[in-house]
Order: sequence, then structure tokens, then C-alpha cells
Amino acid sequence: DAKTTQPTSMDCAEGRAANLPCNHSTISGNEYVYWYRQIHSQGPQYIIHGLKNNETNEMASLIITEDRKSSTLILPHATLRDTAVYYCIVRAGGSNYKLTFGKGTLLTVNP
Amino acid sequence: NAGVTQTPKFQVLKTGQSMTLQCAQDMNHEYMSWYRQDPGMGLRLIHYSVGAGITDQGEVPNGYNVSRSTTEDFPLRLLSAAPSQTSVYFCASRGGSYNEQFFGPGTRLTVL
Repeated sequence: DAKTTQPTSMDCAEGRAANLPCNHSTISGNEYVYWYRQIHSQGPQYIIHGLKNNETNEMASLIITEDRKSSTLILPHATLRDTAVYYCIVRAGGSNYKLTFGKGTLLTVNP
Repeated sequence: NAGVTQTPKFQVLKTGQSMTLQCAQDMNHEYMSWYRQDPGMGLRLIHYSVGAGITDQGEVPNGYNVSRSTTEDFPLRLLSAAPSQTSVYFCASRGGSYNEQFFGPGTRLTVL
């Protein structure tokens, strides 16, 4: 699986959009970009994933650059409950089930 | 659905003791896995299973055993606990609309 690089920490004001970047310059054609988050002391929670196209669900939007070497997770209206560590993970599709977690980005949403 | 459940929530062991961490899921997922998380670190894969009767090693398997006799259960056994195994252990199963992984609430283990 390709390696990912994320900032160690970020701050965001409550109600504003949180934009979390991720670099994955060695991503290969069959690898997906997944985002999970981990709220303090809890198990990680799936947020969203994508291959080439931008994706949106009820939690977030995922913007993947055309060359697929980086992506941005967008929380459109951050709340205090979005304070968590966000993990960007790249993995191949198909039967490769493994997730390789890095240290992620600690997003702190401030009132 | 209860999702992924783990027991116990907390456990303190002495060096050399053995124990089993329980994990169960009621979503009929074939794939299950165990991770450990040390302070300030991401999760590291210990063992995983792609179905009943099939298990394989992950990134940090030493000191741990697993078995998968049913689809629902995937216990993790510590054979002879060491202080280096002090960690938070998460069990996960994979399935759902996007084949995402569902994680349990974790077991916090301290080995003295």
C-alpha cells in the first residue's frame, strides 16, 4: 500500500469548513483513498473513500486531485464533536482487506 | 445490530499470565482483524481472518494467537503477557455498503 503524509495537527473554528490534506504521491492505479477518524478512546470510524472522482456523503466530501497524488477531506460545517484524529489510508481494492494506519491528523474544533 | 463487541473493556495482568480477548460481530462479515494501538501511535495490525477456519499474521503477530471457528467470533489470545503488550486492542470486521471496516470499542490492557 502507498505511504501517506498528513499534518500532525490542525485547528478549525466551529461552524467553519475543515479541510484536511493528505499526500499519497506513490499511489498506484488500483489503490483507493480511505478516510477514517478516531474520536478520543473510541474505535476508528469510517468516513468516506474514493478512487478517482470526488465523493460526498452525509459526513464529508473527498476531493482527489487529477493526478491522484493528493486528496483533501472536507467537513463542511465542523462541530465540537468532530474533534478527532483523522487517518488517510491508501489501499488496493479487491481482496486486499488490510488497512495501514499512520499517525493521522489531530483536528481540534474550537468554539 | 450490536455491531462489533469486545470484552473485557479493561484488564490488568501480571507478566507471564495468559488471557483471551473476546471479539464478536453480528453482521455476518467474513473478514475480521485485530489491531493494537500504543499511545500517540496509529493502529497496527496483529492478525486477521478472511473467514471461518482461515487466519493470517499481520504486522505485529508475535506473542498473540488467534483462531476463527465461527463467522461471528474472533478471539485473541495472549500466551504469556509482557509489559510491551500494554496497549489498547481493537477488533474490526469488514463489510457494509462500501466494504468499510467496523471497529469495536476497544480493550484497554495493562501488563504489570
